[in-house]
Order: sequence, then structure tokens, then C-alpha cells
Amino acid sequence: DTAVSQTPKYLVTQMGNDKSIKCEQNLGHDTMYWYKQDSKKFLKIMFSYNNKELIINETVPNRFSPKSPDKAHLNLHINSLELGDSAVYFCASSQFPASGETQYFGPGTRLLVL
Amino acid sequence: SQQGEEDPQALSIQEGENATMNCSYKTSINNLQWYRQNSGRGLVHLILIRSNEREKHSGRLRVTLDTSKKSSSLLITASRAADTASYFCATALSGGYQKVTFGTGTKLQVIP
Repeated sequence: DTAVSQTPKYLVTQMGNDKSIKCEQNLGHDTMYWYKQDSKKFLKIMFSYNNKELIINETVPNRFSPKSPDKAHLNLHINSLELGDSAVYFCASSQFPASGETQYFGPGTRLLVL
Repeated sequence: SQQGEEDPQALSIQEGENATMNCSYKTSINNLQWYRQNSGRGLVHLILIRSNEREKHSGRLRVTLDTSKKSSSLLITASRAADTASYFCATALSGGYQKVTFGTGTKLQVIP
């Protein structure tokens, strides 16, 4: 009964490949997020969806494309993977998109691009 | 940018001691949150303090906010080995779909 789950937990792949990470939340929240945490532990928001609608789209390469089939799911597809994409990707959700909302994080997906 | 900066970057204390970590930010905020991240895990929300509040408590946690100095502190009293983790402050501006911006984190080690 994990609140925010991500798959896969680990992803090792070659440069140039395309990969997807999936996220699901069972909290009934309207808003979901993707964050990237680099090797220095700096956490940066990439995207946010509210009820399947994109509301935050940071300066992220076009190779990254989020998709929200319903408000409980937010997937991240990455094309033509590069070495610099290696990081931990976290999915999170909150009840509403307001800036004061508590966010609930998934366990992370550790991506290593070789 | 709005990014908060935590100080110190790393802190090592003995079990039972208090741990204090600070967060400074650059622009006016609507609220500030503190999160904990255990090694290899996602972030867990600890406490939220609004811009019109000066101090907030939750169990062994005490958070202060000084909007004039654009800074916040997190105090963990009577620390335990289980408190070993990285702690992040997260700031949010007011209005609309404002993103939450996370700080650089303080890595706390509590030695049993």
C-alpha cells in the first residue's frame, strides 16, 4: 500500500537509448511532479501536472517528455539518453498544486547512463 | 534564483546532543518547509512554517523563521542515531502554481 511508487528502482542503460520511468500515487492527489537529484544531492523540479494538465515545465531538454494518462499516474520518457542524464529521478504528489502543499515522494529511480 | 542554501553542509554529533541547521534564501516567500531524506530514499516532509509565523514545534523538531533575514533554522533536540539523514529546506513563493525550490541540504550524522 505504498503511497507513491516508481518503477523501475534502478535503470542502467547505454547512451542513445530511450527509456521510461513510471510513477503511481494512491493518495487521491490532484498534482504530481518529477524531480531530478544530481550527484551533489541538488534536487530540481522538472515538471508538474495537475489533474493531467501540465502546469510547470522547467528548462528541461526536449528529450524529456512527461505523460499523465490520469491523475494517479505520471510517466517520464527520455529519448536519446546522455551521460549527464545519470541521476536519481523522484516522483512526488500533493493534494493540490498550491505552493504550500506537502509533497509526498516516491523512493526514486536511479538512472545510470553508460 | 530562489534556491535556499543550508548551512552547515555536513554536521556530525553524538547521540543525545542537539542539532541545528540553517537555511537562507533570496526572495520573499509564502512558506518554508523542511524535509528529511534518508540514504537511498525519497524525501519525507517534516514541518511547514508560513511567512507570518516565527516559530513552530513538532515533537523534537523546532523551526524558526526570520523573514527580515531571509533565514530559517531547524533544531532537532536529543538527537538519535535514526535522525541520521540529509535535511532540506524548501521555499515557495505565493500565488498560482508556484514551484517549491529545494535547498542544497545538510547531511547530519548522529553517532551512537
